[in-house]
Amino acid sequence: KAGVTQTPRYLIKTRGQQVTLSCSPISGHRSVSWYQQTPGQGLQFLFEYFSETQRNKGNFPGRFSGRQFSNSRSEMNVSTLELGDSALYLCASKPQALSSYEQYFGPGTRLTVT
Amino acid sequence: SQQGEEDPQALSIQEGENATMNCSYKTSINNLQWYRQNSGRGLVHLILIRSNEREKHSGRLRVTLDTSKKSSSLLITASRAADTASYFCATDEAQGAQKLVFGQGTRLTINP
Repeated sequence: KAGVTQTPRYLIKTRGQQVTLSCSPISGHRSVSWYQQTPGQGLQFLFEYFSETQRNKGNFPGRFSGRQFSNSRSEMNVSTLELGDSALYLCASKPQALSSYEQYFGPGTRLTVT
Repeated sequence: SQQGEEDPQALSIQEGENATMNCSYKTSINNLQWYRQNSGRGLVHLILIRSNEREKHSGRLRVTLDTSKKSSSLLITASRAADTASYFCATDEAQGAQKLVFGQGTRLTINP
């Protein structure tokens, strides 16, 4: 099976712009989670989607949003970008929305906000 | 805030030696997982240990879990240069929404 894919891999945006990142899970996986990784805050959970519904949400402002499509592919959107949004954004998939499953991570999207 | 905290933050050892990393957490959990991340890339799942398990092995990896102390350790035996990476523990709260919370990680360097 193909692994989790994320596009684009690298992105440079300007403050105030918005950005959309895409994640394609492993075939058959219905849960997709998103994480933000920065040197200062580490890996922080953004949200999880399962069967097109947001199941969990982390402590991020409303500028961060996401959605999941019927084929389980997911997108996350960040509006009104701030310098502090520069980070590696990782998505992970698993078969079901249960914590007992291991997560399979994509390579990440490196977002730089200038 | 982070649920898990790894110790040490960085560890440097010689190839062939054993490496031990520790993770402490704050609340009751369903399970604890360990992941590895090579520089700036995605995470790779290593092992999952459930709250009713005390020890688990996978190849050169040995994980222990002490729920009374809310701590876990990851032992890598006979280390190799390819083990150089950051290692993260991840926990889910037993009473929570089953989302994974990652620690800050231990940066492991294996010197040839």
